[in-house]
Amino acid sequence: DAKTTQPNSMESNEEEPVHLPCNHSTISGTDYIHWYRQLPSQGPEYVIHGLTSNVNNRMASLAIAEDRKSSTLILHRATLRDAAVYYCIPNNYGQNFVFGPGTRLSVLP
Amino acid sequence: DGGITQSPKYLFRKEGQNVTLSCEQNLNHDAMYWYRQDPGQGLRLIYYSQIVNDFQKGDIAEGYSVSREKKESFPLTVTSAQKNPTAFYLCASSIGWGRHTEAFFGQGTRLTVV
Repeated sequence: DAKTTQPNSMESNEEEPVHLPCNHSTISGTDYIHWYRQLPSQGPEYVIHGLTSNVNNRMASLAIAEDRKSSTLILHRATLRDAAVYYCIPNNYGQNFVFGPGTRLSVLP
Repeated sequence: DGGITQSPKYLFRKEGQNVTLSCEQNLNHDAMYWYRQDPGQGLRLIYYSQIVNDFQKGDIAEGYSVSREKKESFPLTVTSAQKNPTAFYLCASSIGWGRHTEAFFGQGTRLTVV
């Protein structure tokens, strides 16, 4: 399994963009990069995933470095409801998801 | 609405008793998973099942048991052999078991053993 490194915590002001980094220097060429988030006292929810190209959906954007050793989850305008723990998970066929401690995002009004 | 349901939300048991946590999904997913989460920690995989009547141990299976007799159901039993059973338990499902697979999680069961 590829190892990941994420900041323990980050803070953002409401309605500002947030860039959540993840280092995954041991990622294999066929690992997809998944992001999940977990709101307090709830189960995780899927945010986005990608392989090489940058990806966008209604929740967020995922920017993947050209060498794929790092990626950044971008929340374009943080809201109070975005306060959660964000997990970056490289994953390949035949592997289960491995959830590390993630990044705890606080959003200040 | 399709989804994954865990019950109950809170569960209290006396030490030494077995307890079974329910997980049901109506998403027609083949794969199902059980995770354990301790305060301030990430999720750890207990058991997973890729298909009906088959399941595999995860990283921390000792003291737990599961069954997968129906596609939609994957109950977890916390036995008296589990040394520290108090935790937040999460069930998940996915269409299959592979790199494109998005996992859907239930709302969790918070088990407290006294």
